[in-house]
Amino acid sequence: GAVVSQHPSWVICKSGTSVKIECRSLDFQATTMFWYRQFPKQSLMLMATSNEGSKATYEQGVEKDKFLINHASLTLSTLTVTSAHPEDSSFYICSVFGAKNIQYFGAGTRLSVL
Amino acid sequence: GDSVTQMEGPVTLSEEAFLTINCTYTATGYPSLFWYVQYPGEGLQLLLKATKADDKGSNKGFEATYRKETTSFHLEKGSVQVSDSAVYFCALSENSGNTPLVFGKGTRLSVIA
Repeated sequence: GAVVSQHPSWVICKSGTSVKIECRSLDFQATTMFWYRQFPKQSLMLMATSNEGSKATYEQGVEKDKFLINHASLTLSTLTVTSAHPEDSSFYICSVFGAKNIQYFGAGTRLSVL
Repeated sequence: GDSVTQMEGPVTLSEEAFLTINCTYTATGYPSLFWYVQYPGEGLQLLLKATKADDKGSNKGFEATYRKETTSFHLEKGSVQVSDSAVYFCALSENSGNTPLVFGKGTRLSVIA
């Protein structure tokens, strides 16, 4: 399988600041990680596919300059929300595509922008 | 595009009651179907899956059968426990799981003693 650690689990920031969320694959080398966003009582929506050593692939409607993704190693992908605003408040979840073609998920990061 | 519709929650049941959480899907091809569970404070965990029509996925007493004719993948358990309290997500993937998942909205289950 794969154990996925996501940090922080909860962050509060002021409007206009940037926030970095880390997603680590602890026991599996992940060439592909996914970043999802979940609004209250809504589905998880795919934001982007993070590819190790190359640029992330963003879903339609997701601003790549606002949600910066870096996948510099096989065990770490980061999502940076730049110049965060209250409408960016949400639950962000990463997943690792691991053994047996199964996705393993982090516990999520709740972002609150004041 | 592909989509998943699952019953709205929350669902509250007494211990040992029978559970059904309905899930239907829309897909252009022949997707793989999944149920994920999220316990409080934890990440989503795969509960069970089915990759082709008439397959039955099962785990921890939960079952779901891939019904192509009704495009459904309903989750069932004969006797729920308090420890089953969690949020359950139905999901599909067009390519045997190695592509991003399309999720339903999730159904919160609370089991009371």
